[in-house]
Amino acid sequence: DPKIIQKPKYLVAVTGSEKILICEQYLGHNAMYWYRQSAKKPLEFMFSYSYQKLMDNQTASSRFQPQSSKKNHLDLQITALKPDDSATYFCASSQDPGREQYFGPGTRLTVL
Amino acid sequence: QQKVQQSPESLTVSEGAMASLNCTFSDRSSDNFRWYRQHSGKGLEVLVSIFSDGEKEEGSFTAHLNRASLHVFLHIREPQPSDSALYLCAVSMENNNAPRFGAGTKLSVKP
Repeated sequence: DPKIIQKPKYLVAVTGSEKILICEQYLGHNAMYWYRQSAKKPLEFMFSYSYQKLMDNQTASSRFQPQSSKKNHLDLQITALKPDDSATYFCASSQDPGREQYFGPGTRLTVL
Repeated sequence: QQKVQQSPESLTVSEGAMASLNCTFSDRSSDNFRWYRQHSGKGLEVLVSIFSDGEKEEGSFTAHLNRASLHVFLHIREPQPSDSALYLCAVSMENNNAPRFGAGTKLSVKP
């Protein structure tokens, strides 16, 4: 059974719309992360949470908002979508900050 | 801000020949180093973690860390075509939050 679930696997959106990317982990981890990977840029760290609190934010735009309703959930809300937001978004988790990370399968977002 | 760079950008080796990948980092306080593999269109899988100078072996993968020279290497012994993938280096400090990744080395293993 997959230990880190990301939904949906593929997502197509129109410019200006809003989407939520879902991430759930069943590893009992305390820290969760979001990364982004595109053809233009390597794997890029976005956010990290520990015990549902924001630890680090390297995303300049406020259009990206993580949401943690439960300890094992870290969703990513993206508003006012732009074509440049097209990328694969990976969720990851680790037992604690700085420990070995486990990655989900990714959500591939295409903004038209 | 930690900078992680990988070389070469791409590498082609013959099946069974040793493959060596290089990763350099900028922060000497770093103490967590991991190598990941990503097959095309897939997620990341961790290959080997190393936390102190020297070598760490996991199966056919060996990481070699030299913090003084700011380098961590990955050697792949007798690679197979199935090892063709993007190899990513991740660097962090244990008390720091999230690892930073290099751009990766794209490895192709020819039969």
